[in-house]
Amino acid sequence: GQQLNQSPQSMFIQEGEDVSMNCTSSSIFNTWLWYKQDPGEGPVLLIALYKAGELTSNGRLTAQFGITRKDSFLNISASIPSDVGIYFCAGPRIQGAQKLVFGQGTRLTINP
Amino acid sequence: GAGVSQSPSNKVTEKGKDVELRCDPISGHTALYWYRQRLGQGLEFLIYFQGNSAPDKSGLPSDRFSAERTGESVSTLTIQRTQQEDSAVYLCASSTGGTDTQYFGPGTRLTVL
Repeated sequence: GQQLNQSPQSMFIQEGEDVSMNCTSSSIFNTWLWYKQDPGEGPVLLIALYKAGELTSNGRLTAQFGITRKDSFLNISASIPSDVGIYFCAGPRIQGAQKLVFGQGTRLTINP
Repeated sequence: GAGVSQSPSNKVTEKGKDVELRCDPISGHTALYWYRQRLGQGLEFLIYFQGNSAPDKSGLPSDRFSAERTGESVSTLTIQRTQQEDSAVYLCASSTGGTDTQYFGPGTRLTVL
């Protein structure tokens, strides 16, 4: 079935640094979603991408839908302590469906 | 509150016992989803309800897992004869249907001893 591979699995950075993470798939996705999960909480949607090549920003976050439709990138600029958490990419398992498949997550830790 | 709520927040049970997990979706959301998240892993789709249509059960890992939903309201996920490998956080999400924005509850952490 479809699988999403995220890298890196974890990141340890200093406050103020920029962050980059990515998500790849062996299958084409027509929608890419990026979620953040805080400890003890459910994931919260950060950015949704619907078109190949699309670049979308949400504050300090920027995500891109890869032109091949098999990858996506999430960048965080000028990281702050509240950026700590696990970031997941996700996409519909089947085109047009709502059931999502998730990557394994990138755990972000920030040293103040 | 206005968000998705789940209960209990934590459940510890003995191997072989049955458990029921509850999800209250956002009012008016026709679609409801259950996912399982093992420690350090991403979310695995379990089951999907959309309005009055037959649920999509394609993600249920075994016949020990079942779920029900009454109309467009509360859903219950039942795990019978629990096994240690069932230990995980069970997350519920709801959406308006026809969109990809799923709103997640805080999850139920299940520990099977």
